[in-house]
Amino acid sequence: DIQMTQSPSLLSASVGDRVTLSCKASQSIYNSLAWYQQKLGEAPKLLIYDANSLQTGIPSRFSGSGSGTDYTLTISSLQPEDVATYFCQKYYSGYTFGAGTKLELK
Amino acid sequence: EVQLVESGGGLVQPGRSLKLSCVASGFTFNNYWMTWIRQAPGKGLEWVASITNTGGSTYYPDSVKGRFTISRDNAKSTLYLQMNSLRSEDTATYYCTRGLQWFDYWGQGVMVTVSS
Repeated sequence: DIQMTQSPSLLSASVGDRVTLSCKASQSIYNSLAWYQQKLGEAPKLLIYDANSLQTGIPSRFSGSGSGTDYTLTISSLQPEDVATYFCQKYYSGYTFGAGTKLELK
Repeated sequence: EVQLVESGGGLVQPGRSLKLSCVASGFTFNNYWMTWIRQAPGKGLEWVASITNTGGSTYYPDSVKGRFTISRDNAKSTLYLQMNSLRSEDTATYYCTRGLQWFDYWGQGVMVTVSS
């Protein structure tokens, strides 16, 4: 089974910071990767699919990149409403989610 | 507006059964694969079951295979999850989602607690 590892597990940043979250697969997943944002008490929301495609309605400060085994979610300028836990999910050879990165304000 | 509304959760004893429902609206239900995903309290997300748009094929991880059954009624735009032989480790919020590869719409979730 392909494992998904997210880092860091907790990230503290200030408003306006450029924030980078990492997701690593144990073998290549051929860009079959999505990112979700989950705010406290809410269902997850799709941000990015196919590693770098922005879901309709998502602010352009969110972007995804990467290939092979290494993927990144970047928030170009952190806003207070971005405080949430972020999950990656692979859909190559089954579905697996990463354990999440909790993003908080410094 | 796409909406997915789950129901049927609650407290159930180990070994017993429960059936979840998800009513969909705002899109052509029979055009989409549907999936159940769960989240144990304070934990991450776990895929539970998927079904093709016609209902002709279903898919499960080993953790629920043989115990859970996903089904759909396209005439009623409703997705189901029949859960049998429930275990304490099945305690979670269960989300109804739309999608084949990524999941673009999620319901609000329904809590299932398995405890004696």
